[in-house]
Amino acid sequence: QVQLVQSGAEVKKPGASVKISCKASGYTFTSYYIHWVRQAPGQGLEWMGIINPSGGSANNAQMFQGRVTMTRDTSTSTVYMELSSLRSEDTAVYYCAREVRVVPSNHFDIWGQGTMVTVSS
Amino acid sequence: SSELTQDPAVSVALGQTVRITCQGDSLRSYYASWYQQKPGQAPLLVIYAKNNRPSGIPDRFSGSSSGNTAYLTITGAQAEDEADYYCNSRDSSGNPLYVFGTGTKVTVL
Repeated sequence: QVQLVQSGAEVKKPGASVKISCKASGYTFTSYYIHWVRQAPGQGLEWMGIINPSGGSANNAQMFQGRVTMTRDTSTSTVYMELSSLRSEDTAVYYCAREVRVVPSNHFDIWGQGTMVTVSS
Repeated sequence: SSELTQDPAVSVALGQTVRITCQGDSLRSYYASWYQQKPGQAPLLVIYAKNNRPSGIPDRFSGSSSGNTAYLTITGAQAEDEADYYCNSRDSSGNPLYVFGTGTKVTVL
């Protein structure tokens, strides 16, 4: 069964960092890009970034420049997203999602269950 | 950067038809995909590549597009269709590389 399983909820203080994992199973890990999407309470979906599990190259939305790092471990089929210098506005549910890409179409067919990150002093 | 604009909320009577719109420049170059999200759940893909449904998605969901606008239509809305709906596409203008719509809350009366 194809699935993405994320790590559990986190509570962090302002200024700290958080690292969330997303473990893939049921498919060839290196064949699909993985994205990170977040959703603040009561708000919409916000695209954060993309990582290519094959080569490890990553690209993130400009608003997170310098604060987000995406990595992967092919030995465990896991991708990681680390967000640093946390502030209260980073309180959100963070999702990983698998992309299927057939230009000019792309879509996210599998989503992780989400990881709640709370930033509070 | 591009934006994808959706109406904040729409309502539909049980069994009737509702159309949700998603408007943005990136849709002239890329197809939209559509996601349903219910409270406390992860988004669920309902339409991709203009008008394709993943396995398990009822055929009352359909997609279409024209110019810079994509549409999600629910024909014969059911109570379980009450949810938030988001469109998404790649962004041809640069960064961010992908963009989600602002979301539409669908209420089934």
